[in-house]
Amino acid sequence: EDKVVQSPLSLVVHEGDTVTLNCSYEVTNFRSLLWYKQEKKAPTFLFMLTSSGIEKKSGRLSSILDKKELFSILNITATQTGDSAIYLCASFTGGGADGLTFGKGTHLIIQP
Amino acid sequence: GAVVSQHPSRVICKSGTSVKIECRSLDFQATTMFWYRQFPKKSLMLMATSNEGSKATYEQGVEKDKFLINHASLTLSTLTVTSAHPEDSSFYICSARDGDRGWKLFFGSGTQLSVL
Repeated sequence: EDKVVQSPLSLVVHEGDTVTLNCSYEVTNFRSLLWYKQEKKAPTFLFMLTSSGIEKKSGRLSSILDKKELFSILNITATQTGDSAIYLCASFTGGGADGLTFGKGTHLIIQP
Repeated sequence: GAVVSQHPSRVICKSGTSVKIECRSLDFQATTMFWYRQFPKKSLMLMATSNEGSKATYEQGVEKDKFLINHASLTLSTLTVTSAHPEDSSFYICSARDGDRGWKLFFGSGTQLSVL
């Protein structure tokens, strides 16, 4: 059974802090790992990681994938209150039946 | 806990046929379920919000007669793509909200629809 585990489940920090969110996976036919930001109904796509060791950046957010150790991290520097959300990672698998397996998410709260 | 099962995982059909996708919450009651369509670059587009016992709320631009949603019980929502056409080919995902856990959403594994 494919599994994606995120940690921590919940995190409260102060504005300006840097946070690291973790995502480990055990899946068959792994193709890529995706990060989303969920504020209400529809998650917003952040990153798709396919290759190991290549950091992807978007503003204050960055992410990297380690395919040997089967995990990914999402970093957010100089956090702002608008970063408060649930961050989801998901593994995208192929091999005949494409599928997305989501982790349970990390609830990030940024306090002013 | 909090598992959402989506079925089928993959379906191939001829143009003009209808396809039903099921989304079940296995260990919690989901008063609200959401249906998404995934586009290239993996962005998820919210199609509709499915409320148990009432009509679904569709997002702007989504044809309600084309994408029929039924949420007849607290654990099951279905999306029926009626008279499917090749442009409906996509990856459809559902999520369910466990009302006891605030806005936390639990996702199904998706359905890859291919219309020939």
